[in-house]
Amino acid sequence: DAEITQSPRHKITETGRQVTLACHQTWNHNNMFWYRQDLGHGLRLIHYSYGVHDTNKGEVSDGYSVSRSNTEDLPLTLESAASSQTSVYFCATQSGRGDLNTGELFFGEGSRLTVL
Amino acid sequence: AQSVTQLDSQVPVFEEAPVELRCNYSSSVSVYLFWYVQYPNQGLQLLLKYLSGSTLVKGINGFEAEFNKSQTSFHLRKPSVHISDTAEYFCAVTYTGGFKTIFGAGTRLFVKA
Repeated sequence: DAEITQSPRHKITETGRQVTLACHQTWNHNNMFWYRQDLGHGLRLIHYSYGVHDTNKGEVSDGYSVSRSNTEDLPLTLESAASSQTSVYFCATQSGRGDLNTGELFFGEGSRLTVL
Repeated sequence: AQSVTQLDSQVPVFEEAPVELRCNYSSSVSVYLFWYVQYPNQGLQLLLKYLSGSTLVKGINGFEAEFNKSQTSFHLRKPSVHISDTAEYFCAVTYTGGFKTIFGAGTRLFVKA
């Protein structure tokens, strides 16, 4: 079965360190998204990509970056981690292919990041 | 601005009772509407979706939702809940122009014995 794999599932880091969260999908979907989940805020969009070499900023992109070198992967990098970035991060994919794209999102299991 | 409002942050209900989780959205363009469910320590999974056609849509686990265009609402209902329905439920809107999705803040459903 197709899936979305996020790693690491749990990470503790210190303020100022660079952190990369990996997302790998086998759905062969064009569209990939990174969300953060915080109590009372639901899911907020960080960055997204509609294909290889395409990246776009979401509503809470400050302090984060992504790159898309192939269809399968969209790593999320925190250049200098801050305590405000303590959160649960979800990677999601979407077909993105014409009539096949109903907008439905497929989610990974999440990565819980704690910044001390 | 485009937004999704879930009117209840927490909904406690007894087992076998009916439940309604409310969702309103703001949009001046065509949208697709979704409800996702998140069980503890898991990612979100699709419960049901409205793309077009009949305004009453049925999803997994006995849930259904009704799209009301005039009230810009998409409320989720289940006639009889089970303990296993305890989870967080998210209403979401995808704007068909760009396929970006906006989520509501979530509603925690607690089903009590």
